[in-house]
Amino acid sequence: GENVEQHPSTLSVQEGDSAVIKCTYSDSASNYFPWYKQELGKGPQLIIDIRSNVGEKKDQRIAVTLNKTAKHFSLHITETQPEDSAVYFCAATPSHNNNDMRFGAGTRLTVKP
Amino acid sequence: DGGITQSPKYLFRKEGQNVTLSCEQNLNHDAMYWYRQDPGQGLRLIYYSQIVNDFQKGDIAEGYSVSREKKESFPLTVTSAQKNPTAFYLCATARGTVTNSPLHFGNGTRLTVT
Repeated sequence: GENVEQHPSTLSVQEGDSAVIKCTYSDSASNYFPWYKQELGKGPQLIIDIRSNVGEKKDQRIAVTLNKTAKHFSLHITETQPEDSAVYFCAATPSHNNNDMRFGAGTRLTVKP
Repeated sequence: DGGITQSPKYLFRKEGQNVTLSCEQNLNHDAMYWYRQDPGQGLRLIYYSQIVNDFQKGDIAEGYSVSREKKESFPLTVTSAQKNPTAFYLCATARGTVTNSPLHFGNGTRLTVT
């Protein structure tokens, strides 16, 4: 089955700097890669996703890149703000079903004002 | 997510007791899921249901049971057979099972068993 590894486990940046979180996956058939943000005491929320037929996707300060050959994908947050502080999870699935989705272990991002 | 209600937020139980976690949704989503979250680990799938009166085991179903008698409700029972039940439990829904409908999560129930 799919296995997703996520790095780093913790990341601290100064407000205004960029943050990058990286994930690798094992199943070359994986075709859907969502990113979730989890704030303290809450459930994860989808912030951006990418499909395997696209190499990059942007949404304001957030972007995701996908390298299918190397089987890794990354989340980029530019001009970070204190409210970006949260735990971020990557995920991958080789099918159209969410039940096959596998999650990374999470990255705790802290943005210092 | 305001459309998914998990209750209670905190739950304490003695070892050997069964406990049921509630998950209710008003999003009219067909699919519902239960995940377990432990510190330093990704979300792990316990059970899922794609339609009323049908559910399937996920990766870590041992010691858990579910029911799906109504579209809106997907309760999870943590039985005494679950060896390490203390964890944060997340319920999620998705509009359907076609073309990777995004998961919508509730705010979780933190279960502590002593």
